[in-house]
Amino acid sequence: LAKTTQPISMDSYEGQEVNITCSHNNIATNDYITWYQQFPSQGPRFIIQGYKTKVTNEVASLFIPADRKSSTLSLPRVSLSDTAVYYCLVVTSGGYNKLIFGAGTRLAVHP
Amino acid sequence: KAGVTQTPRYLIKTRGQQVTLSCSPISGHRSVSWYQQTPGQGLQFLFEYFSETQRNKGNFPGRFSGRQFSNSRSEMNVSTLELGDSALYLCASSPPSLTGQYGYTFGSGTRLTVV
Repeated sequence: LAKTTQPISMDSYEGQEVNITCSHNNIATNDYITWYQQFPSQGPRFIIQGYKTKVTNEVASLFIPADRKSSTLSLPRVSLSDTAVYYCLVVTSGGYNKLIFGAGTRLAVHP
Repeated sequence: KAGVTQTPRYLIKTRGQQVTLSCSPISGHRSVSWYQQTPGQGLQFLFEYFSETQRNKGNFPGRFSGRQFSNSRSEMNVSTLELGDSALYLCASSPPSLTGQYGYTFGSGTRLTVV
């Protein structure tokens, strides 16, 4: 499973766009990039998943360059409620269901 | 549809005791996984069950065990509790493919405190 590297923490202000970049240099052909969000004392929540180029849903966008060695989670116009830990994971298509979590990025949104 | 339900929500046990935690997955999900989360080690994979069979196991001692029933509900058991077992234990259910649109759905966890 590819190892991921992301910033330990980030700060932002309400209304700003936040971009969290994740590095996954050893990603394999059948690997997907997945992001989860976790609030204190709750389980992680799936945000978005992608394979290449750009994926957008109602809460975030995920940008993946052609070499797929990194990805960027984009949160538009964050609010205080977006303060959480964000995890970037690489999951393997067809692989056994096992998620390897890193330390994640602790995002703090300020008024 | 109902989410992943974990019971109990909180638990306090004494060293040396054993504990059983329960997880009911989303209806139709046959895969259930368990994770341990501590401040020091973060989120760590314990094991995964599919159709009552353990398919994958993390690097935890044999004191940690689990099982899955025919209705996909799962239990995990920790015997001879140690102080270091204090953690948030999370259960997650998933559809057949990890690369599906929705990924894993986690429960709110069971907060276990060993004193």
